[in-house]
Amino acid sequence: DAMVIQNPRYQVTQFGKPVTLSCSQTLNHNVMYWYQQKSSQAPKLLFHYYDKDFNNEADTPDNFQSRRPNTSFCFLDIRSPGLGDAAMYLCATSRDAGTGVGDTQYFGPGTRLTVL
Amino acid sequence: GQNIDQPTEMTATEGAIVQINCTYQTSGFNGLFWYQQHAGEAPTFLSYNVLDGLEEKGRFSSFLSRSKGYSYLLLKELQMKDSASYLCAVMDSNYQLIWGAGTKLIIKP
Repeated sequence: DAMVIQNPRYQVTQFGKPVTLSCSQTLNHNVMYWYQQKSSQAPKLLFHYYDKDFNNEADTPDNFQSRRPNTSFCFLDIRSPGLGDAAMYLCATSRDAGTGVGDTQYFGPGTRLTVL
Repeated sequence: GQNIDQPTEMTATEGAIVQINCTYQTSGFNGLFWYQQHAGEAPTFLSYNVLDGLEEKGRFSSFLSRSKGYSYLLLKELQMKDSASYLCAVMDSNYQLIWGAGTKLIIKP
């Protein structure tokens, strides 16, 4: 089955210790997104890639970086996690961007990050 | 600013029908999405509306009125597994997705 996979599902890190979350997809979609979601809140878009073109949201802290080495994989690096970065991190893909229904996003299961 | 409004929480009875409303004010409109999100899990796509009217998909239907900036998700024959949050998201003129905070639906036997 075509899908979006995130690893690990649960990640515990220490305050200030860098952490990397990974996402892979077998949908062959052009666009990959990283969201942060805290309890009972809307998902907050951090950045997205259209193919290799990186698009950073204006209010995404510099502490968050991303890499997309190929179509299938995308990584989220948190350079110095703070307590406020504890959240669910969601990876999503869409076939296209700027077409309407083709922008439908399909999500991975998420990684829940705990910062001690 | 851009805004999506949904009720925070709703309660319904198993077997009944529930309507979850969403109103929006966005700069332009290129479609509205509904997603279901079970606690601790990722959102899953339910429906997409870009034209006015009702789209039916099994027990779930979604309605859109662009002139009123309004949509609803209708769930029929409620089952316990429908207990989840339902998120409304609108695509603005720049194809940016604006998310609501979601409506937590509680189903009681």
